Amino acid sequence: ETGVTQTPRHLVMGMTNKKSLKCEQHLGHNAMYWYKQSAKKPLELMFVYNFKEQTENNSVPSRFSPECPNSSHLFLHLHTLQPEDSALYLCASSPGTQPATNEKLFFGSGTQLSVL
Amino acid sequence: AQKITQTQPGMFVQEKEAVTLDCTYDTSDQSYGLFWYKQPSSGEMIFLIYQGSYDEQNATEGRYSLNFQKARKSANLVISASQLGDSAMYFCAMREGYSSASKIIFGSGTRLSIRP
Repeated sequence: ETGVTQTPRHLVMGMTNKKSLKCEQHLGHNAMYWYKQSAKKPLELMFVYNFKEQTENNSVPSRFSPECPNSSHLFLHLHTLQPEDSALYLCASSPGTQPATNEKLFFGSGTQLSVL
Repeated sequence: AQKITQTQPGMFVQEKEAVTLDCTYDTSDQSYGLFWYKQPSSGEMIFLIYQGSYDEQNATEGRYSLNFQKARKSANLVISASQLGDSAMYFCAMREGYSSASKIIFGSGTRLSIRP
């Protein structure tokens, strides 16, 4: 496999469930990102990891818990979500080098999450 | 604070015509990068073109070109000879600064529909 792979592609969960989204990149990158894309909002940056260290938490509620065990894997653990959390969750990676202004993001296909 | 503005929620264009998608940005940094992404209905985000703040020439990639007007802080995407497959959401994005894994923020997007 190449690129950025996200699983599952679709997820339906109740508000009391606990689930996890998985992202894996085979590009040798050092930076990984979670974005949320709601139907009526721009893409919202949630978290950034660089060399496994979290460098950005964009005021995300604690019911979203990220985990980055190594530079190739990124998880988003979900618990007690709300219906307004229903969205497309996109994972991305970038080389994580400096200078970084020209680093583009490589995206996965996303997980479409529905919270009932 | 960084900000990206796309003022065209939707556009309809006849096949084979050229189309310009507008993007303005706001930043206090001198060093930044501007990106355009395409998102078809399948959901994946596809990188199209990049422009650096110090680049003197407008970027071009095949049928895509970026009309960069630094003083006006605009970075419009021009698609020449549009095709039916160009129908998608288009997002303008910006990354500031040199640090690795710095934030990339996105505009609200423009939905482009190509008429046969």
